Amino acid sequence: AQSVTQLGSHVSVSEGALVLLRCNYSSSVPPYLFWYVQYPNQGLQLLLKYTSAATLVKGINGFEAEFKKSETSFHLTKPSAHMSDAAEYFCALGGGADGLTFGKGTHLIIQP
Amino acid sequence: DTGVSQDPRHKITKRGQNVTFRCDPISEHNRLYWYRQTLGQGPEFLTYFQNEAQLEKSRLLSDRFSAERPKGSFSTLEIQRTEQGDSAMYLCASSFTGGAYEQYFGPGTRLTVT
Repeated sequence: AQSVTQLGSHVSVSEGALVLLRCNYSSSVPPYLFWYVQYPNQGLQLLLKYTSAATLVKGINGFEAEFKKSETSFHLTKPSAHMSDAAEYFCALGGGADGLTFGKGTHLIIQP
Repeated sequence: DTGVSQDPRHKITKRGQNVTFRCDPISEHNRLYWYRQTLGQGPEFLTYFQNEAQLEKSRLLSDRFSAERPKGSFSTLEIQRTEQGDSAMYLCASSFTGGAYEQYFGPGTRLTVT
């Protein structure tokens, strides 16, 4: 069975500070991993994806994530938070059943 | 705009009524997915199509739910005899074939059952 765990339902950082959103996964097959962002009352926008190439993946809006097989993790980072980064972030797992398995999400709050 | 579109964006219905949602995927994509998202949760997979064939259905998809993709293009999701527990955001996504390909999501249809 596949599962995704996002640690911290809410994360608050100051504008300009490092953003770290945590994601751990469980998969019986080689995983494909994705981070999506969702703004209120909107659909999901892809930030980045890991598909077994480089373990450090760069995405849009300055975000990046590192795949660590030994830790079964795929944490999302951004060096300097911006007010516009405030949103809900979802880690998702593919590669097994054909639908994505999502975590419960992390609400990112940016303090001015 | 060549993204995924969904119609309607919002639907309010009374318990027991039937509702139908439409999704138009990105035209080059042969896979189309339906997800349901409740408040404070991540999307949950419901079903998916490859071209016109429905290849997988989640156990979440009760007998009251039916999805079609008759010509391998747009898809419809129908809920019969709606219940208050059906209130959620229904998301559609499309992709190329293969788990490595990212899914592109539409804006969703928010259903409220009163």
